[in-house]
Amino acid sequence: GIQVEQSPPDLILQEGANSTLRCNFSDSVNNLQWFHQNPWGQLINLFYIPSGTKQNGRLSATTVATERYSLLYISSSQTTDSGVYFCAPRGPNSGYALNFGKGTSLLVTP
Amino acid sequence: EAGVAQSPRYKIIEKRQSVAFWCNPISGHATLYWYQQILGQGPKLLIQFQNNGVVDDSQLPKDRFSAERLKGVDSTLKIQPAKLEDSAVYLCASSLSWTAYEQYFGPGTRLTVT
Repeated sequence: GIQVEQSPPDLILQEGANSTLRCNFSDSVNNLQWFHQNPWGQLINLFYIPSGTKQNGRLSATTVATERYSLLYISSSQTTDSGVYFCAPRGPNSGYALNFGKGTSLLVTP
Repeated sequence: EAGVAQSPRYKIIEKRQSVAFWCNPISGHATLYWYQQILGQGPKLLIQFQNNGVVDDSQLPKDRFSAERLKGVDSTLKIQPAKLEDSAVYLCASSLSWTAYEQYFGPGTRLTVT
């Protein structure tokens, strides 16, 4: 499968701060999703972004497939943004499953 | 639109016992996935169905795990006999089809094997 490396592994922010999470992957992709896993374990879909840039409120994501990375931007962070963020690519050469890394654990403090 | 449903949400069993998990995907989604998430790691695919046929079960420990999707809708995942290392969250996901479509996850079943 595709190897996924996410950075940083852990991040602590004060409420209102901005952050950038990075995802590097080892092969070409035809699907890439960003998820937020909340403290109750639910995986929430943030973006479906195999290429290009998308924005949804305070969040935006960019995938540069030719350079094998994706970025998730969180602006004006809130305590409810806390949790683990996963990048999960899938490629034409790696079967049908999403490939998950270890994620970035984010804690936003008041 | 209803999301992916799973039950039970929590299960505690002793090693060597058996357990079954149930998943109901989003209506109209032909592809169903079972993932295993061990604490501190990302989910890992166990098995993938397209309608009622298996597309990929290469990561499923077939000596103890089995799964079925008889009518192409609901699915069950069974573990028999369970081992301590099976303690994990079991996540069900679905998508419209197995090509490059967005996957949606259920709330998961947290299994503890003692």
